[in-house]
Amino acid sequence: DVKVTQSSRYLVKRTGEKVFLECVQDMDHENMFWYRQDPGLGLRLIYFSYDVKMKEKGDIPEGYSVSREKKERFSLILESASTNQTSMYLCASSFAWGDVSYEQYFGPGTRLTVT
Amino acid sequence: QQPVQSPQAVILREGEDAVINCSSSKALYSVHWYRQKHGEAPVFLMILLKGGEQKGHEKISASFNEKKQQSSLYLTASQLSYSGTYFCGTEMEYGNKLVFGAGTILRVKS
Repeated sequence: DVKVTQSSRYLVKRTGEKVFLECVQDMDHENMFWYRQDPGLGLRLIYFSYDVKMKEKGDIPEGYSVSREKKERFSLILESASTNQTSMYLCASSFAWGDVSYEQYFGPGTRLTVT
Repeated sequence: QQPVQSPQAVILREGEDAVINCSSSKALYSVHWYRQKHGEAPVFLMILLKGGEQKGHEKISASFNEKKQQSSLYLTASQLSYSGTYFCGTEMEYGNKLVFGAGTILRVKS
């Protein structure tokens, strides 16, 4: 079974703190994604990576950065956390081959509260 | 760019059928469907690819109308386990970057 794990289920941080969210997948997937999920808005893509050290902005990258130094690990960084970044953060990964679209496997999520 | 899902919510009794729609304003390469139960991660249900190829789930079916830029998910003879929020994710071109709809909340009652 594909497993995507995230470092914390719940996290509480103060405004202005630097926050690191870690994601690890064990299926040697090329693609990894970070989404945030807010009620009524669905899942919105923050960043994605299709290879080690490669990254592309998603739809809402402002206030976030990412790092992918190893294939299995994708980190989301909030440089200076703000209250409007309080949300559920979901990591996902998928296989990539040719021009075929593959399903994404999601981690359990990290509920981040910024006070 | 976000696809529009309808309805926003639906309540069914066990055994009833439901259809969830996903409409895009742009041409689509593929449509993904996921279900998320409360407090859990979204789980893959189905992919519909441009050209009609379909991969998916045994008791749930879907269609993809490329001309209308629309996909529909069909849940027949619903079970309590079908309850959750259903998301469509649309891909405009190959690259596996999905844009998700806001979700449809489905509740199946006994």
